[in-house]
Amino acid sequence: GAVVSQHPSWVICKSGTSVKIECRSLDFQATTMFWYRQFPKQSLMLMATSNEGSKATYEQGVEKDKFLINHASLTLSTLTVTSAHPEDSSFYICSARAGDRVGYTFGSGTRLTVV
Amino acid sequence: GENVEQHPSTLSVQEGDSAVIKCTYSDSASNYFPWYKQELGKRPQLIIDIRSNVGEKKDQRIAVTLNKTAKHFSLHITETQPEDSAVYFCAASQTGNQFYFGTGTSLTVIP
Repeated sequence: GAVVSQHPSWVICKSGTSVKIECRSLDFQATTMFWYRQFPKQSLMLMATSNEGSKATYEQGVEKDKFLINHASLTLSTLTVTSAHPEDSSFYICSARAGDRVGYTFGSGTRLTVV
Repeated sequence: GENVEQHPSTLSVQEGDSAVIKCTYSDSASNYFPWYKQELGKRPQLIIDIRSNVGEKKDQRIAVTLNKTAKHFSLHITETQPEDSAVYFCAASQTGNQFYFGTGTSLTVIP
């Protein structure tokens, strides 16, 4: 149990376009999901906390207008990278907490390449 | 906010030897400390965790120790095997809230 699905797994887009990444909890409801960014050979940096039915909470230094987060249901959170630029190229990964479990379950990640 | 530091950044051990990775945290309110293993291009996988009311936890070849006073915790892997090679991340959290990750340790087990 506690499976988190993330799509797409890899996307290449042109500079200036927007990309939407989906994070779904398949067998549990997640009132809270988290979005992380990971550069090659670096750690996972928390970007924002996505709360179902309310606005996301962004970490300091993360542009909320750049990284739009929507958590419209208990099983789906989306991250939209708007007007993407090459410096936005990274590995984006979501996670969720299932019920009373304390630990995270991670999605499979999305590798974004902006050309 | 929470600041988690992790050392070493890279670690090479001979197969069968032990590996130790250490982390420190800054927020005394943190009370949950998981460790994740991430293989190249894959999602992090939880391997062991410890809560602040416990000083040590063991699961087969993996153990974690926590010193709340000193705000540090460590991962111990005994009898290492080549399949243990991966990047390991520690994290600190107030239970159920955001996790803040360490910078990662790339472990290589040499056959």
